[in-house]
Amino acid sequence: QSVLTQPPSVSGAPGQRVTISCTGSSSNIGAGYDVHWYQHLPGTAPKLLIYGNSNRPSGVPDRFSGSKSGTSASLAITGLQAEDEADYYCQSYDSSLSGSVFGGGTKLTVL
Amino acid sequence: EVQLVQSGAEVKKPGESLKISCKGSGYTFANYWLGWVRQMPGKGLEWMGIIYPGDSDTRYSPSFQGQVTISADKSISTAYLQWSSLKASDTAMYYCARRVGATPWFDPWGQGTLVTVSS
Repeated sequence: QSVLTQPPSVSGAPGQRVTISCTGSSSNIGAGYDVHWYQHLPGTAPKLLIYGNSNRPSGVPDRFSGSKSGTSASLAITGLQAEDEADYYCQSYDSSLSGSVFGGGTKLTVL
Repeated sequence: EVQLVQSGAEVKKPGESLKISCKGSGYTFANYWLGWVRQMPGKGLEWMGIIYPGDSDTRYSPSFQGQVTISADKSISTAYLQWSSLKASDTAMYYCARRVGATPWFDPWGQGTLVTVSS
C-alpha cells in the first residue's frame, strides 16, 4: 500500500485531456511538501515531468501541467499523443517517515 | 550533461551477496544526495534510501533499514547498494537517482540494474 494514492489506470483518445490524481495526508502533501511527477516508459529510466507541484523541466512539453491543493495533487495532460502512453508516478516527502514517498503509479493508455 | 550509469544485470542465488553501483558524471558528485529506488516486477516505485557522498551521511526508508547497505566513494563518483544475503523477494529493478531541491525530487535517474535472485 503506497503512502500516496493514485488511480491504477486512466485512458483517453488522442487529442483529449486526462488527469491523474495523487492523494496524500497531513504528513506529506497536506504538510506543505511539494509534489513531483515522473513519466516511466517500459525499459527506460523514469523521467522527471513536473517538479515543485507545477514546474516543467526544460524539454517537457507544455501539454503537461501539475497542480496541488490541500492533501492532493494532479497531473493534467492535454492533446494526448500515442507517445504519452506510460506509467506516471507522483512523489513527495513524508515527515513521519523522514523520507521520500511515491504513489503507486498510474498506467495511461491512449486509445 | 548530468548522467548516472549503473552496473549491469545480475543473476544470483538466495543467500549470496551482491553490490551494485551507480557512477555519476557531469556534476560534483559529492555535493548532491543520491537515492536508490526499487521496482519489483509489475509494481510501482519504492524509495529505499539516500546517501550524501560528501560525508557518507545515509538515511534509509523504514522498509529497507537493515535489509540493504548504501555506501559511496566520492573519489570515484560512485554509489553502491549492497545485500549480504539475497532473497528471492529481492528480485527487482533498482534505480539510482540524484536528489535535487529543497523539497526534493529526483533527476536524473540511472538506467536501472535488474537483479534476479533464483535458485
